[in-house]
Amino acid sequence: KNQVEQSPQSLIILEGKNCTLQCNYTVSPFSNLRWYKQDTGRGPVSLTIMTFSENTKSNGRYTATLDADTKQSSLHITASQLSDSASYICVVSLTDSWGKLQFGAGTQVVVTP
Amino acid sequence: GAVVSQHPSWVICKSGTSVKIECRSLDFQATTMFWYRQFPKQSLMLMATSNEGSKATYEQGVEKDKFLINHASLTLSTLTVTSAHPEDSSFYICSARVTLSSYNEQFFGPGTRLTVL
Repeated sequence: KNQVEQSPQSLIILEGKNCTLQCNYTVSPFSNLRWYKQDTGRGPVSLTIMTFSENTKSNGRYTATLDADTKQSSLHITASQLSDSASYICVVSLTDSWGKLQFGAGTQVVVTP
Repeated sequence: GAVVSQHPSWVICKSGTSVKIECRSLDFQATTMFWYRQFPKQSLMLMATSNEGSKATYEQGVEKDKFLINHASLTLSTLTVTSAHPEDSSFYICSARVTLSSYNEQFFGPGTRLTVL
């Protein structure tokens, strides 16, 4: 069973609208939680990174939240653009010395005109 | 920012041949690099941790004799898929670790699409 689960698996939104992606994790303890954007056929690019003591972190139109008590995180995309079409991956960084990452399966977002 | 490159970006080979994929950190040194494999519509799966000057550490279920990793310098790690078969067709992604003030960051390469005929 994956220790990082995301929902929904995919969603379609109209350009200009907002959307929120969910991430539930069971990894514990963890060093930090990250959200990555992965365009088709490309490597992941970091959007936000939060330690367990942080509740929210923004990067432009992307805002991530973290509730370490309920082990939930969300990524909110404001005023979506066509270029936001991608897979958004929730990733938990383990506390091992290597900094290994545990990946969610991702939410595929499609922004339509 | 930290840039990681991969070469080639895509490769098609015949079954039974070997393929080498390079991962380079362009503007920084990385003592640790990671190799991942990603199948369609699935998440990245860690294959191995590559450390400069020492043997790679493979994840459970990954055949070290099939996926040869060499990390000969602080800016280059290579993954060689030996005797490739169609089931090895996948998207291979590397990352390079950078230790920042309070956490380890990983910068990912653009990936290499391997198709084995």
